[in-house]
Amino acid sequence: QKEVEQDPGPLSVPEGAIVSLNCTYSNSAFQYFMWYRQYSRKGPELLMYTYSSGNKEDGRFTAQVDKSSKYISLFIRDSQPSDSATYLCAMTTDSWGKLQFGAGTQVVVTP
Amino acid sequence: DAEITQSPRHKITETGRQVTLACHQTWNHNNMFWYRQDLGHGLRLIHYSYGVQDTNKGEVSDGYSVSRSNTEDLPLTLESAASSQTSVYFCASSDSPQGHEQFFGPGTRLTVL
Repeated sequence: QKEVEQDPGPLSVPEGAIVSLNCTYSNSAFQYFMWYRQYSRKGPELLMYTYSSGNKEDGRFTAQVDKSSKYISLFIRDSQPSDSATYLCAMTTDSWGKLQFGAGTQVVVTP
Repeated sequence: DAEITQSPRHKITETGRQVTLACHQTWNHNNMFWYRQDLGHGLRLIHYSYGVQDTNKGEVSDGYSVSRSNTEDLPLTLESAASSQTSVYFCASSDSPQGHEQFFGPGTRLTVL
C-alpha cells in the first residue's frame, strides 16, 4: 500500500465551479503538507503548504489538513480554464525535506 | 533571475549505454533532489544531496548514481540504461529546512530502447 493515495482522475468541471481535490495518507508522522500544480510537459510548482492541521487560504485556493483522519484537501473556487493541470499532493515527516508524493489528479476546467 | 535547468530535454538511448542527465541551479540552494515520474506513481525520489560531497539514496536508487562537486550541479548517471528506466526525470532544489519549498526543473524525457 502506498503511503499517500490520490485519485488520478481526470476530474472535469465547468468554468466557475469549485474543484475539490483530496489525498489520504497512512504515516501519522507527516507534518508538512503541500500541493503542487503541474502543467502538461512542465515541472511541478508549489501552490501552497500547511503545517500540521488546519486551513490555509491563498486567493481562490484553500488547503485543509485533518490529521485525525489522515486526510488533506485542496479547493479551487471560481475555477478557470487556466487551472487545468495535474495537482499533486506531497508530504514530509522530518526537517530535511524528503517528500512523499501522491500520484496526482488531472483537472480539466471546460469553458 | 535564479532558475533550475536540465539538459538534455529529450534523450533516446539504447539498453546498456551509460547516460548522464545534467541539473544546474542558480538559487545557491544546498539541497538538491532527483525524481522520476511515471504514470500512476507520481514523483519518486531517486537520489538527494544536502550539500557538496553529500549524496543519499532515495526510494528508487538502483541503477542510478549522483555526485555533488559544487553547489550548483547534481548530475544523474544511469550506469547501464534499462528499458524500465524510460521515464520523465525532474531535478529540484530547496533551501528550506523542512524541504517543502522545492523548485523543480523542466524535466528530461528519457527513452531507453
